[in-house]
Amino acid sequence: QSALTQPPSASGSPGQSVTISCTGTSSDIGSNNYVSWYQQHPGKAPKLMIYEVSKRPSGVPDRFSGSKSGNTASLTVSGLQAEDEADYYCTSYAGTNNFVFGTGTKVTVL
Amino acid sequence: QVHLVQSGTEVKKPGASVKVSCKASGYTFTDYYMHWVRQAPGQGLEWMGWINLNTGDTNYAQNFQGWVTMTRDTSISTAYMEVSRLTFDDTAVYYCARDIGNWGFDYWGQGTLVTVSS
Repeated sequence: QSALTQPPSASGSPGQSVTISCTGTSSDIGSNNYVSWYQQHPGKAPKLMIYEVSKRPSGVPDRFSGSKSGNTASLTVSGLQAEDEADYYCTSYAGTNNFVFGTGTKVTVL
Repeated sequence: QVHLVQSGTEVKKPGASVKVSCKASGYTFTDYYMHWVRQAPGQGLEWMGWINLNTGDTNYAQNFQGWVTMTRDTSISTAYMEVSRLTFDDTAVYYCARDIGNWGFDYWGQGTLVTVSS
């Protein structure tokens, strides 16, 4: 199973929005709604930000939103804040009990 | 409150095995699946597989079949992940993560650094 494709980096100024794409195939993202997004700060464990494409766990700010179209999922961070600077990973169920991570995107707040 | 606490840093020689533990608290252990994920230094996250904490059934990612074993001890609410025949490429931080039921991992352990060095 190949990793989902994400841009290596993305950036925005405080208050702006940034959108990260996550491209898979019809065998993973395109075949189900089990797409999640994780935020990881250096030296820390990942944190769940979005699950089932667009749902936010309790405690995650509504500045974070997710969507999907075809084989591509997206995470949008609105109203960027300094603490949003981190690595972000998408994930997807890939059928037959398999699972795949994205390549990761480093978000920089300028 | 849910907590996943992993065992400490390990240093192993090539060819050895390592067993990492993940002790859960704050919820009914057997109600969830547990996944294991690893992250090599400076690299991305890599899914290794899952274990059904109720039945003990497992499923491993293709890259880990045959040399990774996931088990659990329900009496002490602890999951284990063992990697055999370690190589230098297995140097990584290994995480356990609880599946909320739809392939979303809501709680993670703090990570266990495994260093393979001769």
